[in-house]
Amino acid sequence: AQSVTQLGSHVSVSEGALVLLRCNYSSSVPPYLFWYVQYPNQGLQLLLKYTTGATLVKGINGFEAEFKKSETSFHLTKPSAHMSDAAEYFCAVSEGYSTLTFGKGTMLLVSP
Amino acid sequence: DVKVTQSSRYLVKRTGEKVFLECVQDMDHENMFWYRQDPGLGLRLIYFSYDVKMKEKGDIPEGYSVSREKKERFSLILESASTNQTSMYLCASSPGTGGTDTQYFGPGTRLTVL
Repeated sequence: AQSVTQLGSHVSVSEGALVLLRCNYSSSVPPYLFWYVQYPNQGLQLLLKYTTGATLVKGINGFEAEFKKSETSFHLTKPSAHMSDAAEYFCAVSEGYSTLTFGKGTMLLVSP
Repeated sequence: DVKVTQSSRYLVKRTGEKVFLECVQDMDHENMFWYRQDPGLGLRLIYFSYDVKMKEKGDIPEGYSVSREKKERFSLILESASTNQTSMYLCASSPGTGGTDTQYFGPGTRLTVL
């Protein structure tokens, strides 16, 4: 069965600092991997996804993630945090069907 | 733009009441989903539907049922609400082409059961 582990329920950074949100997955087949973001009082929206091909995936708002099969990881990064990045971030995995398994989420806090 | 709307942003019900949560999508998507979101637990799938009148149980279906009579509408039903069903409920839809599909989410309904 597929599963997702997000390390750290809360991550705090200063504005302008590097953002690194960690995601490790377990899957019995080559996975499809997703990062979603949830701003306060809103639903989730897709940041980026890895399907096949290039392992470095670029998303919206300057975020990117790299699929590393050997490490079963799909960490999310952004070179310079902005106050507007404060939100909850969810990593998710699909094994080829239409359903997703989500991690428990990481709340990103950005201080001035 | 894909739009997924949910009938209420906030709902307060009493224990034992029958509760209906409605979700509508406007992009002719095949798949629709109901999730429950609780702090520290992430999103957990309750039910999903891949076609009209078709439904599949997710990870936590107990205490819930669903209805999909029209392609654009997916309803979540709590037959007899209980306090442990107090939560945020999120509806989503996706095109239905497979595992690479993006899911599009509604804004959520925060349900409180007293």
